[in-house]
Amino acid sequence: QKEVEQDPGPLSVPEGAIVSLNCTYSNSAFQYFMWYRQYSRKGPELLMYTYSSGNKEDGRFTAQVDKSSKYISLFIRDSQPSDSATYLCAMRLTYNTDKLIFGTGTRLQVFP
Amino acid sequence: GAVVSQHPSWVICKSGTSVKIECRSLDFQATTMFWYRQFPKQSLMLMATSNEGSKATYEQGVEKDKFLINHASLTLSTLTVTSAHPEDSSFYICRGGYTFGSGTRLTVV
Repeated sequence: QKEVEQDPGPLSVPEGAIVSLNCTYSNSAFQYFMWYRQYSRKGPELLMYTYSSGNKEDGRFTAQVDKSSKYISLFIRDSQPSDSATYLCAMRLTYNTDKLIFGTGTRLQVFP
Repeated sequence: GAVVSQHPSWVICKSGTSVKIECRSLDFQATTMFWYRQFPKQSLMLMATSNEGSKATYEQGVEKDKFLINHASLTLSTLTVTSAHPEDSSFYICRGGYTFGSGTRLTVV
């Protein structure tokens, strides 16, 4: 079993839809959770960073962490064609600050 | 915010030659830099971890003699693909902290 599981998609939605992207993980020691967005032929860029459980909102993006279920989500409201990209979840342990464990990424396509 | 500058963004080389990829942390000191490889529509694959002033740690299955990593200063890490072959063609990305470089597309002909 992989440490982090993420549905590869592709996920295709119309413009304006609410998008839900998810990851599950197996290691209950993960404390820090991140979402990255990667456009084609570019390096991933950090979108959201959360610690432990709870919600964090930034504009149209909301990151949710449910540690009891070992489940994290990224919601995108009012999705735009420019949101079309691959979204990767990542997480790390408390005591090792540099090593990140990545999901495989979900390809999202928002069509006009 | 933190910036990692990666160069070149795109390179074509002949089979048998070597290619050097540079990653610089512009506004922070990266004592550790991570190097990834990514094939089209596939996930990131960690190749190695470079630490300033010491030898890099390579992931299982990665040839350390082919992929030479140097981390001579707190702001510069380099990956050299030696004696490149077409199967080394890929997208290479570095990461310092939570920040990735923009990636290098290597094509070996």
